[in-house]
Amino acid sequence: GAVVSQHPSRVICKSGTSVKIECRSLDFQATTMFWYRQFPKQSLMLMATSNEGSKATYEQGVEKDKFLINHASLTLSTLTVTSAHPEDSSFYICSAQPTPSSYNEQFFGPGTRLTVL
Amino acid sequence: AQSVAQPEDQVNVAEGNPLTVKCTYSVSGNPYLFWYVQYPNRGLQFLLKYITGDNLVKGSYGFEAEFNKSQTSFHLKKPSALVSDSALYFCAVREGGNNRLAFGKGNQVVVIP
Repeated sequence: GAVVSQHPSRVICKSGTSVKIECRSLDFQATTMFWYRQFPKQSLMLMATSNEGSKATYEQGVEKDKFLINHASLTLSTLTVTSAHPEDSSFYICSAQPTPSSYNEQFFGPGTRLTVL
Repeated sequence: AQSVAQPEDQVNVAEGNPLTVKCTYSVSGNPYLFWYVQYPNRGLQFLLKYITGDNLVKGSYGFEAEFNKSQTSFHLKKPSALVSDSALYFCAVREGGNNRLAFGKGNQVVVIP
């Protein structure tokens, strides 16, 4: 149980295009999902907290118009990187928090490798 | 705000020897502590957690961790390391009532055959 999927696993795009990444909780419902960014050999940086049916909460320094987050259902959150540039190349990981959850555990997706040319 | 320190960048250990990965934390309330493992180009896999109860927590793949409140530590241990344990290990902490996780920088573990 508690499986989180991400799609696509790897994407290469041209500079200026937009890329959508999906995060799904496969066997549980998640009111809250999280989006992280990870640079090579570095820790995870929380980008935003996604809440079903409401606006995402972005961390300081993360551009909300650049990284659009939609959490339209209890099993799906999407991250859209708009007008992508090479500096947006990174490993993006989502996590989902089951509803209800006694200890607010997070279950992580396998990640999406974005390369912007 | 909560924070985690993993003081070592890399831990090298011979196969069959004990493995220890260090973690200290800082929170203002009761800590919820987690260890995750990450293999190359993969997401994080949950190993174990401490919420309350016994200070020694047993988790997946033979790993365990000991919660030490006085030293604010939560070191990860395995009695006998395997080559397949070579990966990146992250310690994370969450304050009770807060749903945001703070991660350490990660430790690369290299198990030498």
